Amino acid sequence: GDSVTQMEGPVTLSEEAFLTINCTYTATGYPSLFWYVQYPGEGLQLLLKATKADDKGSNKGFEATYRKETTSFHLEKGSVQVSDSAVYFCALSPGYSTLTFGKGTMLLVSP
Amino acid sequence: SAVISQKPSRDICQRGTSLTIQCQVDSQVTMMFWYRQQPGQSLTLIATANQGSEATYESGFVIDKFPISRPNLTFSTLTVSNMSPEDSSIYLCSAATVNTEAFFGQGTRLTVV
Repeated sequence: GDSVTQMEGPVTLSEEAFLTINCTYTATGYPSLFWYVQYPGEGLQLLLKATKADDKGSNKGFEATYRKETTSFHLEKGSVQVSDSAVYFCALSPGYSTLTFGKGTMLLVSP
Repeated sequence: SAVISQKPSRDICQRGTSLTIQCQVDSQVTMMFWYRQQPGQSLTLIATANQGSEATYESGFVIDKFPISRPNLTFSTLTVSNMSPEDSSIYLCSAATVNTEAFFGQGTRLTVV
């Protein structure tokens, strides 16, 4: 079945550092790919998405590119802020709105 | 974008009892879902709530343990029945329309003692 693997956390960075959170997937067909973010005490929010190969999703300075050849969707940000501290989930959907999630990666950004 | 309200936001329950979680969307949606997030784990889909018919459960989840209702296009409930400490999790309601990605409520943090 479909699965998503993302790097273990926590990822600890200083403010203004570069962020990469790796995500790879296994799926039949051509799923849509997502990053969701969960801030402390809150529900999940969609951060960005890509629906086909080579698409780049972007939002709030975060970017991820749908790489079919490497089955990856790594999340990047050039300069993180303390307010980016949260848990980030990579997910895929075959197109029926149900989602398969990775285990989540906690990001901790210190001033 | 649409907003999901979930109630209760948290609860502490005795083992052997049941808890019903409510999910209200502020606009009509095509699909509604229930997920479970066990401590330190990812989200796992429990079931798709179907309006006017029985929910569609994922492998490992059964109706007797997690009965679900969806009487209309904006409301659903999930009941966690005969609870044990292993049911301690965050339960999240999700919804989507034909033209939108899935969005989520803030979740219900359940602790079973």
